[in-house]
Amino acid sequence: EPEVTQTPSHQVTQMGQEVILRCVPISNHLYFYWYRQILGQKVEFLVSFYNNEISEKSEIFDDQFSVERPDGSNFTLKIRSTKLEDSAMYFCASSERGTGSGANVLTFGAGSRLTVL
Amino acid sequence: AQSVTQLGSHVSVSEGALVLLRCNYSSSVPPYLFWYVQYPNQGLQLLLKYTSAATLVKGINGFEAEFKKSETSFHLTKPSAHMSDAAEYFCAVSLTGGFKTIFGAGTRLFVKA
Repeated sequence: EPEVTQTPSHQVTQMGQEVILRCVPISNHLYFYWYRQILGQKVEFLVSFYNNEISEKSEIFDDQFSVERPDGSNFTLKIRSTKLEDSAMYFCASSERGTGSGANVLTFGAGSRLTVL
Repeated sequence: AQSVTQLGSHVSVSEGALVLLRCNYSSSVPPYLFWYVQYPNQGLQLLLKYTSAATLVKGINGFEAEFKKSETSFHLTKPSAHMSDAAEYFCAVSLTGGFKTIFGAGTRLFVKA
């Protein structure tokens, strides 16, 4: 069964360092997403990406965050200068279609746990 | 704006007992509603979805959910819990024309032998 893969599974970094989290979405999916889950809290939407541009982003997704689809298969989330409060599990997801064409079912990766010291 | 509230961060049931996980939503337009499950060290997996076709929705692993517009609820049930059902369950909502799915805080289900 097709799956979304994420790397690394766990990354530890120092505050102020740049981090790149990588995702390989399902190959025929067109919509890509990043969510995060701070320990013990809800899964929060960060950003959606379609047709090589951001389609929607949350207030969490400020200037220190960026996303890119550099080569047609990878989808990356970059955090420019990490803060302690960025420590969380980051989930990548993809979907075949957006909600404009019916219910938008997300397929999630297993997550990348980011620990900022 | 749409939102989801899950009542109870933890639910504990005995094996073979009824599972009931509660979800209420808030939306200004008819929503799409989902239940996802997360097993340890894994991503979220779709259990079932409501798309306005039928109010009672059946999902995988014997779970089902009923959409009740008058109560703005979408509670998840399973008649008989199994040890393998122990996981975290998330209710979620999305809207036509939008790109984001909003998740509830999750309910961790414990199943006792």
